[in-house]
Amino acid sequence: DQQVKQNSPSLSVQEGRISILNCDYTNSMFDYFLWYKKYPAEGPTFLISISSIKDKNEDGRFTVFLNKSAKHLSLHIVPSQPGDSAVYFCAASAVTGNQFYFGTGTSLTVIP
Amino acid sequence: DTGVSQNPRHKITKRGQNVTFRCDPISEHNRLYWYRQTLGQGPEFLTYFQNEAQLEKSRLLSDRFSAERPKGSFSTLEIQRTEQGDSAMYLCASSRTISAGTDTQYFGPGTRLTVL
Repeated sequence: DQQVKQNSPSLSVQEGRISILNCDYTNSMFDYFLWYKKYPAEGPTFLISISSIKDKNEDGRFTVFLNKSAKHLSLHIVPSQPGDSAVYFCAASAVTGNQFYFGTGTSLTVIP
Repeated sequence: DTGVSQNPRHKITKRGQNVTFRCDPISEHNRLYWYRQTLGQGPEFLTYFQNEAQLEKSRLLSDRFSAERPKGSFSTLEIQRTEQGDSAMYLCASSRTISAGTDTQYFGPGTRLTVL
């Protein structure tokens, strides 16, 4: 049972444009969400997080938006750079639990 | 470098053999997690320690799997009588948290297990 879903396995974007990666979840108990970036042969690297009391969090070129009613979050990267090419995972947890649930990832390619 | 380290990075073994992986978390982190990742999937939670106490185990963790964190520092994950289905990337993560569910986990590079 996949509680966190990333329905786009891959995304290609031109350098300088916006990349939008999407994530949906099914468990209404989730209230903390994270995005990780993963390069080949490396572990996931933490990128940005958001708690359910917010609907937006920004960190430099990265912004995460949370729509609780739709159980949807998205990661915006502006402007996209070739070094952003990686697999991006979203993850979710509930404050009452200790498990993180990950999506299946979206492979982003930024074309120079 | 004070990140999470894992050893070995790669392990090839024959079916039926036992293997052990080690994880050294970031030094001030009190929580340590083990995940398994197979091709095309995201990391799947296996187990979690707060200090030396193993507080949660996934149903994915069969009785062939055992994890320890004896002194609340490094951790080991052992797989007994390995099966080909155990072939995966085993990831360790650590965090320093005050409240449950809001920690940020920092991952190691993983150990790639191949069972022949």
